[in-house]
Amino acid sequence: GDSVTQMEGPVTLSEEAFLTINCTYTATGYPSLFWYVQYPGEGLQLLLKATKADDKGSNKGFEATYRKETTSFHLEKGSVQVSDSAVYFCALKITGNQFYFGTGTSLTVIP
Amino acid sequence: DTAVSQTPKYLVTQMGNDKSIKCEQNLGHDTMYWYKQDSKKFLKIMFSYNNKELIINETVPNRFSPKSPDKAHLNLHINSLELGDSAVYFCASRLSHGTPYGYTFGSGTRLTVV
Repeated sequence: GDSVTQMEGPVTLSEEAFLTINCTYTATGYPSLFWYVQYPGEGLQLLLKATKADDKGSNKGFEATYRKETTSFHLEKGSVQVSDSAVYFCALKITGNQFYFGTGTSLTVIP
Repeated sequence: DTAVSQTPKYLVTQMGNDKSIKCEQNLGHDTMYWYKQDSKKFLKIMFSYNNKELIINETVPNRFSPKSPDKAHLNLHINSLELGDSAVYFCASRLSHGTPYGYTFGSGTRLTVV
């Protein structure tokens, strides 16, 4: 079935470090891919998205490229800040109305 | 102002009680959802309504009953609350047609059953 696998956390980084959160997917069709972010005590917000192979989504310094050959959508940021501390969810959508979420990766950035 | 609003934000109640959580969106979306987030941050879909019609009904206890009086509202009623129902419940909405954009989420309702 369709599913998303993302790297287990928690991840702890120092400020200005490079961030990668891995996400791979299994899908029977041609999914759209998303990253959502959940800041402490808040709901989920769309961070970025890509709707077809080789698309790159970007927002707030975060980037992810839709790689069909490796079925991946890894999230990256060149220099993290304390304010990036949050839980990050990878998600996919095939057809219909259902999204599939990964289990979430908690990121803590220390000064 | 708020795009997807849930009430209440916090709910503490005793086992066995019946409670409701309300959700409203002013985005003109035609599809609404309830997700449950457990203590490990895992998000699990519970229900989805499209134009007031139930389209996703995952395996949840029948103590949980969604109700959608119109496209802009999706409420969740829970009967005979149990300790294991403690979680954060998120309402979300999206437009089902056109470009497949993502959800817009509410800020969550933290339910604690004691």
